[in-house]
Amino acid sequence: DIQLTQSPSTLSASVGDRVTITCRASQNVNKWLAWYQQRPGKAPKLLIYATSTLQYGVPRRFSGSGAGTEFTLTINSVQPDDFATYYCQQYDDWSWTFGQGTKVEVK
Amino acid sequence: QVQLEESGGGLVKPGESLTLSCAASGFSFINYYMTWIRQAPGKGPEWISYISETGDTKYYGASVRGRFIVSRDNDKDLVHLEMDNLRPEDSAIYYCGRGGAAAGDEWGRGTLVTVSS
Repeated sequence: DIQLTQSPSTLSASVGDRVTITCRASQNVNKWLAWYQQRPGKAPKLLIYATSTLQYGVPRRFSGSGAGTEFTLTINSVQPDDFATYYCQQYDDWSWTFGQGTKVEVK
Repeated sequence: QVQLEESGGGLVKPGESLTLSCAASGFSFINYYMTWIRQAPGKGPEWISYISETGDTKYYGASVRGRFIVSRDNDKDLVHLEMDNLRPEDSAIYYCGRGGAAAGDEWGRGTLVTVSS
């Protein structure tokens, strides 16, 4: 299975900060990488798919980039609603996997 | 609006079976692949299965392959997950997802499965 490693595991930020989360894949996943946001007690919410395509309704302060084995999720000007856990997920081969998560917390 | 509602969770003993269902509404069910993921307490999500729009193609995560079977009823807009030989490590919240993109672009609220003697 393709392993996804996210860094950092926890990130402290203030409202208005720009934050970046990295996801590294153990092998090439081409552009088939998605990002999800999850709040406690809720299902994951799709933010970005195919590396950089913003899901409908997701604020433009979220963006994704990368290719191959290294990807990033950037939140420009973090808002109070953005404090949550973020997961990357690859769907290049038929054994989809998630990263271990990055918790964005209030500094 | 899109709605997915999982049902069928509960408490079972190791080795027992359980079938989860997911009722879909608010979209053209036959046009979407469907997925299941699960999430154990305090852990990240784990992808479990994929079923194509017609039901002809199915894939499973390594941890459940050979024990779980996914199916769908396109007349009733339902997806099922039959789970056999359940283990304590299968305990989790199970979510069904609409496959608009990646593992899913819409999710239900989940149903809790607890495997314990």
